[in-house]
Amino acid sequence: GNSVTQMEGPVTLSEEAFLTINCTYTATGYPSLFWYVQYPGEGLQLLLKATKADDKGSNKGFEATYRKETTSFHLEKGSVQVSDSAVYFCALSASHNYGQNFVFGPGTRLSVLP
Amino acid sequence: DSGVTQTPKHLITATGQRVTLRCSPRSGDLSVYWYQQSLDQGLQFLIQYYNGEERAKGNILERFSAQQFPDLHSELNLSSLELGDSALYFCASSGGTGLNSPLHFGNGTRLTVT
Repeated sequence: GNSVTQMEGPVTLSEEAFLTINCTYTATGYPSLFWYVQYPGEGLQLLLKATKADDKGSNKGFEATYRKETTSFHLEKGSVQVSDSAVYFCALSASHNYGQNFVFGPGTRLSVLP
Repeated sequence: DSGVTQTPKHLITATGQRVTLRCSPRSGDLSVYWYQQSLDQGLQFLIQYYNGEERAKGNILERFSAQQFPDLHSELNLSSLELGDSALYFCASSGGTGLNSPLHFGNGTRLTVT
C-alpha cells in the first residue's frame, strides 16, 4: 500500500539555521506530494506541493523537490525563524478505486530557539 | 482562512454520551474527509465522502458514524464516548477528483471526554 515516512522529531534549531526534514514515500503509480504545516492550536495548512517528478514546490522560503528516483520529497529552508516553530506533515495523494487517497506521514515537530 | 468551517470549536462531555461534529466544506468542494488527531499523535483517517456518498473508510470505530448531506456539509457522530475518544477532530475538503487537488483543513473540534 501507499505510505509516507518522515524523520522523527522533535527537531530543535537556532534561529537562522538551515532546516531539512526528510520525507520518503511508497506509492503505486505517480502520486502528487504535499507538505502541510500545523501551528499550535490550528488546523493543517498547505505549505507547498509538487505534482510530477523533478517539480520543485516553494512557499515562504520553504522548498521541496519531487525526486522519483529516490522516492523522496525533503523539506528545506535556508534560514529558519522562531515563527516557523510548528509540526510539519509530508503527504501524498494517489489514485485508488474511489478517486483520491491521501496518506500523511506522522509529522515532525520543529522548535526554533531565538 | 481555508474556507472549511467546523463547529463547535470545543466540546466537553461525559463518558457514555453522544456528540455531533459539523463541517462545511469550501465552496464547490465535493469531497469531505474526517481525521482524528490525539495528543502528540499523527492524523488518523476516519472516513471520506464524495458528493453524498461514502468513498473510503479508515480506522473508524463502530461507535462513530458520518454522513454528507445534499448541501455537501458533513456531520460526524460519536456515541458511547470513552475517555480515549478525547482528541482533535479535523474535517478537510478537496475540490477535484484529480491527484493534484490538495486537502484544505478546518481548524478542528477539540473534544474532551470526562
